[in-house]
Amino acid sequence: GAVVSQHPSWVICKSGTSVKIECRSLDFQATTMFWYRQFPKQSLMLMATSNEGSKATYEQGVEKDKFLINHASLTLSTLTVTSAHPEDSSFYICGGRRGLGEQFFGPGTRLTVL
Amino acid sequence: DQQVKQNSPSLSVQEGRISILNCDYTNSMFDYFLWYKKYPAEGPTFLISISSIKDKNEDGRFTVFLNKSAKHLSLHIVPSQPGDSAVYFCAASVAGGTSYGKLTFGQGTILTVHP
Repeated sequence: GAVVSQHPSWVICKSGTSVKIECRSLDFQATTMFWYRQFPKQSLMLMATSNEGSKATYEQGVEKDKFLINHASLTLSTLTVTSAHPEDSSFYICGGRRGLGEQFFGPGTRLTVL
Repeated sequence: DQQVKQNSPSLSVQEGRISILNCDYTNSMFDYFLWYKKYPAEGPTFLISISSIKDKNEDGRFTVFLNKSAKHLSLHIVPSQPGDSAVYFCAASVAGGTSYGKLTFGQGTILTVHP
């Protein structure tokens, strides 16, 4: 399978600060990347879809100005949680897809906002 | 609106026996289905998938069955091993169009395989 990495694996920040999460496809070119969040004991909820070089498409209810997504290259996408609040605390997972193939997931990033 | 549902939050099975995980969906546009395995604080790992043109796909100990008329799929693991203990998610997607590749996940089922 293909390898997707995320950095950092966990982060604790103060309320009001911004946090950037990186997602990298290590051994393939991800033409599309997906960002999910998972609350405890709940399903993975798709937040947005990004194609390399174009603007991300956000799911209904996800604030695009709060969750900034950049997919500048075929191997890197970033999610920036701006002005984070405690309710943004969650497990964020990215998924990368090459062409029309399977989607491979990163190990996730645990965000805790104090 | 939960379009993909896994109604059993947990399942406990004895080692060597069969594990059957179930998943139902409501969106008739879904035509590609996947099963993922997930450990706590890790990303999901792909297990097996099935296209809507098939009713069965097998890969080693894992078999996925699809019943389109019932909008139901199941994952069979046989024989079950303690290392299979994890959370299992089913996911569905629509081929083509702007929704291509977007996965809708079920709530997950915690599988525990006892030695």
